[in-house]
Amino acid sequence: AQSVTQPDIHITVSEGASLELRCNYSYGATPYLFWYVQSPGQGLQLLLKYFSGDTLVQGIKGFEAEFKRSQSSFNLRKPSVHWSDAAEYFCAVGPSSGYNKLIFGAGTRLAVHP
Amino acid sequence: GAVVSQHPSWVICKSGTSVKIECRSLDFQATTMFWYRQFPKQSLMLMATSNEGSKATYEQGVEKDKFLINHASLTLSTLTVTSAHPEDSSFYICSALTSTDVQTQYFGPGTRLLVL
Repeated sequence: AQSVTQPDIHITVSEGASLELRCNYSYGATPYLFWYVQSPGQGLQLLLKYFSGDTLVQGIKGFEAEFKRSQSSFNLRKPSVHWSDAAEYFCAVGPSSGYNKLIFGAGTRLAVHP
Repeated sequence: GAVVSQHPSWVICKSGTSVKIECRSLDFQATTMFWYRQFPKQSLMLMATSNEGSKATYEQGVEKDKFLINHASLTLSTLTVTSAHPEDSSFYICSALTSTDVQTQYFGPGTRLLVL
């Protein structure tokens, strides 16, 4: 079955600390991978995506993610978190061709302490 | 680029009335749009896929007569919640695909519906 797992429901970090949000997926074929961020009461904003090529992808707002095929993971990282990064983060996978139906993880809520 | 808007941003209605939510692609043409529903502190649930000029494809368990979707132009899709009831209260989000990147969904800001 196709699925996306974000093991951490809540994460709290101090401002300036590093961050890693975990994402593991189960998918029958090579997927396309996405990270989205959602602020309270807002829609989703695309942070970054991986289609092919370099497995370390850079996104907006200083985020990066690394695709590890052997571990079926696509973890999101940021070296220094800002208070404005507090939000809900969703990992999603989709097919590399054909009908683009995204499968979302449950989300990780990030809190940032000053 | 790839900006998606939704209108209204929030709506309160009485039980039994119908509510229409609009999803527009502002700076691109979207042949495909998606409608999601999100309950508090939960992930997104895909309701249906909307293709311009054709009938929407609904996900299993979504009542097509309850949630009417129309995609009449390349920049507009509408979701009508018919005979709304309190259990239909939710956050509804649309997304769209651009013709230059058919694998990336760009999301609207969402519409919060409260049915009294």
